[in-house]
Amino acid sequence: QKEVEQNSGPLSVPEGAIASLNCTYSDRGSQSFFWYRQYSGKSPELIMSIYSNGDKEDGRFTAQLNKASQYVSLLIRDSQPSDSATYLCAVNERQAGTALIFGKGTTLSVSS
Amino acid sequence: EAGVVQSPRYKIIEKKQPVAFWCNPISGHNTLYWYRQNLGQGPELLIRYENEEAVDDSQLPKDRFSAERLKGVDSTLKIQPAELGDSAVYLCASSPRQGAVFTGELFFGEGSRLTVL
Repeated sequence: QKEVEQNSGPLSVPEGAIASLNCTYSDRGSQSFFWYRQYSGKSPELIMSIYSNGDKEDGRFTAQLNKASQYVSLLIRDSQPSDSATYLCAVNERQAGTALIFGKGTTLSVSS
Repeated sequence: EAGVVQSPRYKIIEKKQPVAFWCNPISGHNTLYWYRQNLGQGPELLIRYENEEAVDDSQLPKDRFSAERLKGVDSTLKIQPAELGDSAVYLCASSPRQGAVFTGELFFGEGSRLTVL
C-alpha cells in the first residue's frame, strides 16, 4: 500500500527558531513532492514543491528531497506565530496522473 | 478570480439519509478532485475528473457514493445512505493543466463539513 508518513506532532518551537518537519514515502515511483499548509478550520494551500534531489529555498522555507532515502523535509527559518498550522506532505506518482497522496500532517505551534 | 466554490458548508443529517455536495471549480481548470478529510488526518482522494471523465475513482465507496461532472464543469458528490463513519469534511479541488506539466498545485474549496447522527 502506498503511504506517506508524517509525525503528527504537535511540534512546538519558540518564535525565531527553526522548525523541521519530516515526511517519508513508500512508493519509489513518486516523482513530485509538495508541502501544503492548513490553518485550523481552513483548506490546504500549496507552499512548496520540489522535484529533484537537494534543497529548494523560497523565503523562510526550504524543502529538501532525498529520493534514495525516500525522504522529504520542510525547514521553516525564523518561525513566526503565524506559521502555526498543520503541514501536509503530498506526493505525486508517475502513474497517478495528477493525483496527490497526502500524509496526515504535522501540527506546528510557534510560541511568542 | 473566483476560487473553488462548494456548498453547503455544513450539513447535519441522520444516518441512512441521503446527502449531496456541490462544487464549482475555478474557470478553465480541467481537473477536479473530491477529497475526504477526517479529523486529524490528511485528505484522501475519492475521485478525480479530467474534464467530464472520471479517471480515478478507485477509492470511492461505490455502494453508497456517487459523483458526476456534467459538461466538465460543476460536480456533485452524493452519499446514499449516509453512515456514521461518513462524518468528515468533503473537499473539492481543481487544478489547471499547463501543457503536459502538472504543477501539483491544487486549489481547494472551503469544504463541506458533514455530521451524521
